[in-house]
Amino acid sequence: QVQLQESGPGLVKPSETLSLTCAVSDYSISTDYHWGWIRQPPGKGLEWIGTIYHSGTTYYNPSLKSRVTISLDTSKNQFSLKLTSVTAADTAVYYCAGVDCSTISCYEAFDYWGQGTLVTVSS
Amino acid sequence: EIVLTQSPGTLSLSPGERATLSCRASQSVSSNYLAWYQQKPGQAPRLLIYGASSRATGFPDRFSASGSGTDFTLTISRLEPEDFAVYYCQHYGSSLYTFGQGTNLEIK
Repeated sequence: QVQLQESGPGLVKPSETLSLTCAVSDYSISTDYHWGWIRQPPGKGLEWIGTIYHSGTTYYNPSLKSRVTISLDTSKNQFSLKLTSVTAADTAVYYCAGVDCSTISCYEAFDYWGQGTLVTVSS
Repeated sequence: EIVLTQSPGTLSLSPGERATLSCRASQSVSSNYLAWYQQKPGQAPRLLIYGASSRATGFPDRFSASGSGTDFTLTISRLEPEDFAVYYCQHYGSSLYTFGQGTNLEIK
């Protein structure tokens, strides 16, 4: 069973960069999965931020693309999110998640989720 | 860009009743890439359905889903107290993931 755990600052100042890391356990991030970030503002729905494939290829939500970078650190078996120039609108619970593409059929659904971490943007 | 619209926004039912949740896509989508999630308060979402109709591990057979093209449905045949939660549909296409806005299934 793949386990994911987010970590990073819970408070970020406006205009600064939000940085989060997702540690993956019991599975190598270098093989067969897609790794993603999803956020959820308080009381609202889910918003996909972006995904990185085990190959390092990235795809981002067009509405956030200019501010987002997702990267892999295979030496630490983790992947990271950077979101620049944050505002109060970026306040949300941030989830990391994994898409299991290790079988013949990849259904592009988020099979595994971290518990989420609340990031508040405030001065 | 595909938009997923879920209805109703809130569904108020009693335990034992049947729940029917809808997810409509703004254009025809592949059933292979339509999923449903269950989210309880304070918890991460949990994959419930993938490939439009396949139940994920750990969910009982009172949960079923179907659909194709632009219209997809999640059905809970007989509601149990633990089924009251928010349900989201999600689609993948052109390397992008999209979520519906969610249906809040609440106890009447």
